[in-house]
This record gives sequence, C-alpha cells and structure tokens, in this order.
Amino acid sequence: NAGVTQTPKFRILKIGQSMTLQCTQDMNHNYMYWYRQDPGMGLKLIYYSVGAGITDKGEVPNGYNVSRSTTEDFPLRLELAAPSQTSVYFCASSYRAANTGELFFGEGSRLTVL
Amino acid sequence: DQQVKQNSPSLSVQEGRISILNCDYTNSMFDYFLWYKKYPAEGPTFLISISSIKDKNEDGRFTVFLNKSAKHLSLHIVPSQPGDSAVYFCAASGGTSGSRLTFGEGTQLTVNP
Repeated sequence: NAGVTQTPKFRILKIGQSMTLQCTQDMNHNYMYWYRQDPGMGLKLIYYSVGAGITDKGEVPNGYNVSRSTTEDFPLRLELAAPSQTSVYFCASSYRAANTGELFFGEGSRLTVL
Repeated sequence: DQQVKQNSPSLSVQEGRISILNCDYTNSMFDYFLWYKKYPAEGPTFLISISSIKDKNEDGRFTVFLNKSAKHLSLHIVPSQPGDSAVYFCAASGGTSGSRLTFGEGTQLTVNP
C-alpha cells in the first residue's frame, strides 16, 4: 500500500528559486493537508483542501501556493524561496475531516534554503 | 499563540514501567483530541483519539485521559517498550478551527531496556 507519497525527500534551494513539492495519495481521500515542522516545534498547517478544486489557507500560508485539480494530487509551490522556509514538509490526507478522523502522513520532504 | 502545549520536551522511562505524556490546551472550543507518534525520518502516525464527551479512551497499552475543566489531557503507555521510543504529538480541533488540527510541540519519549 503506497498511502501518501511525497517527492522529493530532500532538496537544497538557493534564495529566490522556486520549486514544487509533490504529494499523491491512493486512498481516495477527499481531505488533504500540507504541514511544516521546524525544529522543536509542532506541525503548522500551511494549506488544506476538502476536495478537488477547493483549497484554503492554514496557519502559515505566506510564501506558498497550492492547487487541487484531482482527488489524488495536492502539490505545494514555493515561488521565491527564503531561508525561513527551511523546514520539513509533511503532506497528509484523511477520509473524514481532521476533527473527526485520523490523518495519514507522508514521510516528509526536507527542504533547505541557502 | 500556542493553543496546544506539551511542556516536557523529553521523557525517559524504564522498559516495563508506565510512560505518562502530558498536553495542555487553551481553546475551550476544542472538542476532539488526538495523539500521533513519529519515528525519525518518517511521517507521524495516528495513535489514539478522544472526543470531549468522554474522559477516557483505551486501546491496548495506550490510554488517553481528558480533563476538560483543567484543559488537560494525558497519554499513558503501560507497559512501556523500547519500540515506543519516538516523538509524541498531541493535537486538537474544534470550534472555529473547523477541520484543522492544532499540534503541540511534541515530547521525545525514550524507553530504556
């Protein structure tokens, strides 16, 4: 079972570069999320989606963009990378809303901006 | 504004003993609470949850207790095993947060053989 798959697992970016973190789930979940985790901190919600074509901002959306054209895919776009975006990024999905059911997480993508 | 706090960054216990991980929250609208476990280089995995209509939920060696008046919940692991060594995150949702989860900072549990 693949579950939630994130690519790439590691990436180093220069300041000002752009990139897309890919996330795919094969569980036919409607809900998908992007979190970031900084050292010693909990996970912070960046963006989430309740279904194809619908996205909404989380706690820390600045500097990021998302799209949800299919149920399976939820890419996260960084347009102008900044050192403050150095973090570990986790994509997650759920069958029901997060406040009623569990989230399934990918293995994470470690991004370093120099 | 940290609405979910885990005040202990780390906890060390002996194998076979009880591990107690604590979590405090400030938002009285939270009505659903979850615990996630995270091993290094992996994503978090769901462990156990509790609704605000209950004060206890048990699943095998894991029990979560909720004290709504104190806005406090705890995770008990009995007996602790070396494989339980991981970072444990408390999370909460409800009220205006809707379907979004708010996570605590995490507690690193180390179970020594």
